[in-house]
Amino acid sequence: KQEVTQIPAALSVPEGENLVLNCSFTDSAIYNLQWFRQDPGKGLTSLLLIQSSQREQTSGRLNASLDKSSGRSTLYIAASQPGDSATYLCAVKTGANNLFFGTGTRLTVIP
Amino acid sequence: ETGVTQSPTHLIKTRGQQVTLRCSSQSGHNTVSWYQQALGQGPQFIFQYYREEENGRGNFPPRFSGLQFPNYSSELNVNALELDDSALYLCAILSRQGVNTEAFFGQGTRLTVV
Repeated sequence: KQEVTQIPAALSVPEGENLVLNCSFTDSAIYNLQWFRQDPGKGLTSLLLIQSSQREQTSGRLNASLDKSSGRSTLYIAASQPGDSATYLCAVKTGANNLFFGTGTRLTVIP
Repeated sequence: ETGVTQSPTHLIKTRGQQVTLRCSSQSGHNTVSWYQQALGQGPQFIFQYYREEENGRGNFPPRFSGLQFPNYSSELNVNALELDDSALYLCAILSRQGVNTEAFFGQGTRLTVV
């Protein structure tokens, strides 16, 4: 069974700092990996999607990498801002079409 | 964006009651999934519907059931509510663009069982 782990569970950084969030998964037979943002009590906003054949994707200050063989992905956030404060979730899509989620990293960016 | 809308946003029910949650999308995508997210946890897959048929189910009991309608809107029904059913329920549509299949989520329904 696919298991997804996110480290750290919580992270607090000063504004302007670059940071890396980590995601690992146990079964490398995935179709893609998606990073989401979730504000408290809200739904999920899709940030980046990486296909299994890709190594990375970029959107603005966000860069996500994927090493499928080692079961790892990272989300890099450059020049963090207080508005980046949220919980970040990674999810992998398997052949069954459903997503397996990690428990998330709660990020706080201090002004 | 695909405009996934869920209703209601919040709901309080008593243990043993039944509840129906609803989901629709602007673009009428034919694949919809439901997830349960307990406090402090990642979302857990409940089931998925494709063209009005269930085509995948997670580790949830039969009292969790669903429907998908011809316009591809969807319902999640939960019977005999238990306190542990208190959670955020999320609906997602799968948007296929070539080889990419990306999930887009609604804002969720917060269910509290007392």
